Amino acid sequence: EAQVTQNPRYLITVTGKKLTVTCSQNMNHEYMSWYRQDPGLGLRQIYYSMNVEVTDKGDVPEGYKVSRKEKRNFPLILESPSPNQTSLYFCASRKSGGISYEQYFGPGTRLTVT
Amino acid sequence: GIQVEQSPPDLILQEGANSTLRCNFSDSVNNLQWFHQNPWGQLINLFYIPSGTKQNGRLSATTVATERYSLLYISSSQTTDSGVYFCAPSVGDTGRRALTFGSGTRLQVQP
Repeated sequence: EAQVTQNPRYLITVTGKKLTVTCSQNMNHEYMSWYRQDPGLGLRQIYYSMNVEVTDKGDVPEGYKVSRKEKRNFPLILESPSPNQTSLYFCASRKSGGISYEQYFGPGTRLTVT
Repeated sequence: GIQVEQSPPDLILQEGANSTLRCNFSDSVNNLQWFHQNPWGQLINLFYIPSGTKQNGRLSATTVATERYSLLYISSSQTTDSGVYFCAPSVGDTGRRALTFGSGTRLQVQP
């Protein structure tokens, strides 16, 4: 089944404790990205990657890191989480190279930073 | 960046009723998707519809790109249709083409 998976689905952590949210897709998509969803602010893009070893900032990159060492994986790293990073996070992927393609989203990771 | 407005913001229906959700956007787009966010927070792809009309069961969507709007039709609504519906266009010829999400229409279908 074609899908985007994220782990963990739920996470409660404390300020300053480094964490990684994993994202994996099995559709051989070149493009992957991370969004966060906050009440009243909607979904906003954090980082994106056009292909392996190619990453760039989205609209709200502060406090996050990403890496793209393999085509299928795109982990989101919070090196020193703070309470304002409490949010619902989505990973997404799509094909690349044409005018545009449908984007597929993972199930979401609900993060709470205390 | 592109502005996306969805209406109505909230909608309450009785089971079996029909509804039309609207999405207006401020710029030319090369991609537009409709999503349903269920009560568990998952984003479900409904339509990829940069232009034209598509149908999938009780749902259909129309995008008129030249007039910068898209419509989502829900017929014979069911309680499982409850949740938030998002319209998300993207712009740009190459590169990032991030989806810009509207603020959504919150739908509640009552039995």
